[in-house]
Amino acid sequence: SQQGEEDPQALSIQEGENATMNCSYKTSINNLQWYRQNSGRGLVHLILIRSNEREKHSGRLRVTLDTSKKSSSLLITASRAADTASYYCATSPKYGNKLVFGAGTILRVKS
Amino acid sequence: EAGVVQSPRYKIIEKKQPVAFWCNPISGHNTLYWYRQNLGQGPELLIRYENEEAVDDSQLPKDRFSAERLKGVDSTLKIQPAELGDSAVYLCASSLDGRMGRDEQFFGPGTRLTVL
Repeated sequence: SQQGEEDPQALSIQEGENATMNCSYKTSINNLQWYRQNSGRGLVHLILIRSNEREKHSGRLRVTLDTSKKSSSLLITASRAADTASYYCATSPKYGNKLVFGAGTILRVKS
Repeated sequence: EAGVVQSPRYKIIEKKQPVAFWCNPISGHNTLYWYRQNLGQGPELLIRYENEEAVDDSQLPKDRFSAERLKGVDSTLKIQPAELGDSAVYLCASSLDGRMGRDEQFFGPGTRLTVL
């Protein structure tokens, strides 16, 4: 079963624009992680935000977490064609020792 | 530093045949995971190892799937016999400390299995 649900399912933007993806989840968490998967390649970890954190930055990435709404967002600023990929949020439930992935958002950045 | 290595990258078999996937995690990573990723979906955990011990195999279809991690390093995932619905990408991942999902996981490129 998949706890996280990403929104939108697909997103198409022009190079240089910002891309925002959202993730909602159902149960209390220890942390939430975002991963990227390029076509034909494995998943790559982007950023981890803990349940007591509200915002985190890494380069052009900005992640927010609202535990009261059980939601997170990933913002990619000044997008590039190389950012074209599927993006997954993964939650570490508070009671349980596993990482549960959502169905992902497909991002296409047009040059 | 070498990443997670998986082989083969692609496998095509006929239904009812056996198949095996191999994974070599990043050196020093105690936790190893096998995931299955269906088309258009996120990965779903099949089994998690802490060293040699399988600590979470609740999602592993035990009637046809088996896994082992001898000596707490390499791991093999086997399906016998394969069914049409097993067609998917099988991903291996490793992490330093998998307890409570507290750290990032490093994924291999995966094995794309097609069952005809």
